Amino acid sequence: AQSVTQPDIHITVSEGASLELRCNYSYGATPYLFWYVQSPGQGLQLLLKYFSGDTLVQGIKGFEAEFKRSQSSFNLRKPSVHWSDAAEYFCAVVSSSNTGKLIFGQGTTLQVKP
Amino acid sequence: GAVVSQHPSRVICKSGTSVKIECRSLDFQATTMFWYRQFPKQSLMLMATSNEGSKATYEQGVEKDKFLINHASLTLSTLTVTSAHPEDSSFYICSATPGALYEQYFGPGTRLTVT
Repeated sequence: AQSVTQPDIHITVSEGASLELRCNYSYGATPYLFWYVQSPGQGLQLLLKYFSGDTLVQGIKGFEAEFKRSQSSFNLRKPSVHWSDAAEYFCAVVSSSNTGKLIFGQGTTLQVKP
Repeated sequence: GAVVSQHPSRVICKSGTSVKIECRSLDFQATTMFWYRQFPKQSLMLMATSNEGSKATYEQGVEKDKFLINHASLTLSTLTVTSAHPEDSSFYICSATPGALYEQYFGPGTRLTVT
């Protein structure tokens, strides 16, 4: 069965420091992968997505992610974190392009220290 | 573009009553909408897939008679929680797609509290 694992439940980084949020997936075929961000009490905003092609994808707000098939990973990175980046981050994979069903990871809470 | 709204953003209801949540795609037509439920500090769980003009497809374990979904138009889907109980208190989020099923745009969510 398809699954998504985000090993880090909570991460704290200092403002200006670099960030990497981990995501591992289990999926038989070529996955469609997503990173979403959720601010408290809000819906989800798409940061970036990978369907095919270049394995390094650029997203909004200065985020990027790299698809590594050999490691079944799709880690999210940002070179310099801003205080406004504090939020919940979810990695997701589409289990079937026919149904569009998204399977989400458990989420990683990012706290940014001043 | 691709804006999805939900109404209300927050609702408090008494146990045993029903409450309706609306999900609207504001600037696109959505043949498919999705309803998710999120418990505090947890991830999103898909409840059902809603297709315009047809019955919703519910995920395993979701009571279709309790969570009534109607997708009457290409821009509106509603979720009605019938005979709500405190355990139905949760954050409900909808998403809609203008085309490819995997390109979903999410609403801001509705916080339901059942007292």
